[in-house]
Amino acid sequence: GAGVSQSPSNKVTEKGKDVELRCDPISGHTALYWYRQRLGQGLEFLIYFQGNSAPDKSGLPSDRFSAERTGESVSTLTIQRTQQEDSAVYLCASSPRSGGPYEQYFGPGTRLTVT
Amino acid sequence: EDQVTQSPEALRLQEGESSSLNCSYTVSGLRGLFWYRQDPGKGPEFLFTLYSAGEEKEKERLKATLTKKESFLHITAPKPEDSATYLCAVQAQGGGADGLTFGKGTHLIIQP
Repeated sequence: GAGVSQSPSNKVTEKGKDVELRCDPISGHTALYWYRQRLGQGLEFLIYFQGNSAPDKSGLPSDRFSAERTGESVSTLTIQRTQQEDSAVYLCASSPRSGGPYEQYFGPGTRLTVT
Repeated sequence: EDQVTQSPEALRLQEGESSSLNCSYTVSGLRGLFWYRQDPGKGPEFLFTLYSAGEEKEKERLKATLTKKESFLHITAPKPEDSATYLCAVQAQGGGADGLTFGKGTHLIIQP
C-alpha cells in the first residue's frame, strides 16, 4: 500500500517568508509526527498528533512553528518568518496508534533551504 | 533528559567483514528502542523494535540486541547494498509523549 507522502520534496525560500509543508500519512494511521533533521544532527522531534486529542507541541523550537491536522488525515507544518537556521529536512511519520511502542513509518521528507 | 549516543560515527568495511554498531542510551524508563536505516535523500526505513533487556531480533544479515544501557546492531557478512546510515532511537515511558529521541547515526560503507 501507499506509504507516507510529503510535499514539496524541495523548497527554497527567502529569509522572512512563510512556508507550508504537507504530509499525507498512511491510511488508517491515527498517530502523526513531525521531525527535523539538520545537517550532521540527529532527528529532532517537533510535534505529535493522536486522533482528536490536543497535539503534543513540546518539541517545537519557537512560536514561529505551528502545525495542524485534519482529523486523521493530512497535516501541514507552517514556519513563519523563516530564518537560515530553519534550513533542514523536515520528516513526517505515522504510526497505527499511540501509546506504543509502535514503529513509526517515515515519509521521504521536505528539504527546506532558507536563503 | 533522554539521550542516545551512537558509535562509531562512520565505519568502512570490506564486503563480508562482520562488525557491530553501538547505541548507548539514557532514558527515564524505556518503552522501546528502534533501529532504522536511512539511505541518502530518503526517509528512515524501520528495521527493528526492542522492548526489554535480553531481547534479540534478526533480519537477513542484521541482528539487534538490547541491554539495560545499550543496543548493538550486528552486521554479518555485509554486502555493498547494506551501505547506509543506521539510526537508533528510544521512546520513553509515561508523559504521553510518543516522540522518538534519535542518535546521530552511524554511516556505514561496505566496499566490494
